[in-house]
Amino acid sequence: AQSVTQLGSHVSVSEGALVLLRCNYSSSVPPYLFWYVQYPNQGLQLLLKYTTGATLVKGINGFEAEFKKSETSFHLTKPSAHMSDAAEYFCAVSDYNTDKLIFGTGTRLQVFP
Amino acid sequence: DAMVIQNPRYQVTQFGKPVTLSCSQTLNHNVMYWYQQKSSQAPKLLFHYYDKDFNNEADTPDNFQSRRPNTSFCFLDIRSPGLGDAAMYLCATSRDLLETQYFGPGTRLLVL
Repeated sequence: AQSVTQLGSHVSVSEGALVLLRCNYSSSVPPYLFWYVQYPNQGLQLLLKYTTGATLVKGINGFEAEFKKSETSFHLTKPSAHMSDAAEYFCAVSDYNTDKLIFGTGTRLQVFP
Repeated sequence: DAMVIQNPRYQVTQFGKPVTLSCSQTLNHNVMYWYQQKSSQAPKLLFHYYDKDFNNEADTPDNFQSRRPNTSFCFLDIRSPGLGDAAMYLCATSRDLLETQYFGPGTRLLVL
């Protein structure tokens, strides 16, 4: 079965520092990949997605992610963290066998001044 | 703006008292999903509708039911809420299966 691994349940960075949130998936067939952000007491908001084509995907709020098939990874980055980036981030992958979205366990990003 | 709307945002109910959460969408998407999310966890799929076809997850308790009277609306009914059902309930829609899911703001349910 398809699975998604997010390394690091908590990540802390200083304002202005690089943000790197890791996501690895298990699939021999390149799936659709997503990053969602969730602010406290809110729903999930789509940050970016990879379906086909260019492997570097740009999303909202200055985030981007790179699909690396050889590493089965889809890490999320942002060059310079803002205080407003503090939230929970979920990586998700589409599962062709079940037609469902499989979520990682989430990474809570804290940004310190 | 086209969107997914959930009402109410916060719902308080008593142990065993039926409660209904609602979701509406202006995206005209075929698929509507209900997820349960507990604190610091990923969303857990309860069921989804593809048009009028209902698809229940195997581990969704019988206590949870859903209705989709038309394309725009979908309801989550909890027949006899227990303390363990306190959670955030998220509605999502997608044009088709495996396509991007768009989430509503969620309804936080508190069971007293």
